[in-house]
Amino acid sequence: DAEITQSPRHKITETGRQVTLACHQTWNHNNMFWYRQDLGHGLRLIHYSYGVHDTNKGEVSDGYSVSRSNTEDLPLTLESAASSQTSVYFCASRRTGTDTQYFGPGTRLTVL
Amino acid sequence: SQKIEQNSEALNIQEGKTATLTCNYTNYSPAYLQWYRQDPGRGPVFLLLIRENEKEKRKERLKVTFDTTLKQSLFHITASQPADSATYLCALGGPLGSARQLTFGSGTQLTVLP
Repeated sequence: DAEITQSPRHKITETGRQVTLACHQTWNHNNMFWYRQDLGHGLRLIHYSYGVHDTNKGEVSDGYSVSRSNTEDLPLTLESAASSQTSVYFCASRRTGTDTQYFGPGTRLTVL
Repeated sequence: SQKIEQNSEALNIQEGKTATLTCNYTNYSPAYLQWYRQDPGRGPVFLLLIRENEKEKRKERLKVTFDTTLKQSLFHITASQPADSATYLCALGGPLGSARQLTFGSGTQLTVLP
């Protein structure tokens, strides 16, 4: 069955370290998204991509970057992790021409 | 700035009753609105979509209304069951012609008591 996976599911890191969160989908969706979810804020869009080599900034992109070298993967990189980036991160994908997003299981990141 | 509010962070109801969740928004002209369900430790799962020209949508025990004049959506679960306990998120989709991004509310945690 097609799916969307995220790894790792849990990560503890230290301030200043570079961290990369993986997202992989097997639906062949062109559109992929990264969100962070914090208490009281709901899901906030970090970056999104509408296809290979396309990336765009979302509402809370500072301190994050993404790259899209193939259809299946959209890794999210925290260049220099900060405690304010402690959060749960969700990846999602969507088929072009539709409005439904399919979410991964999430990665809980703790920055100490 | 755009703002989405979902009624009370937590809602408790008795099994068999109808749960009604509210999503209000300001400074926004969405082309559509979606409702998602999120269980603890999991990602959101799509439930229903309603477009700006639709008043009501139904799916089994779920019903969604969309009033663009009031800038409000109501989400109903009839004959609620303990298995319906979860957090429910509303999400607004951008106006036609814009990027198809979603803006999410912070969610309402529903608990159905047996």
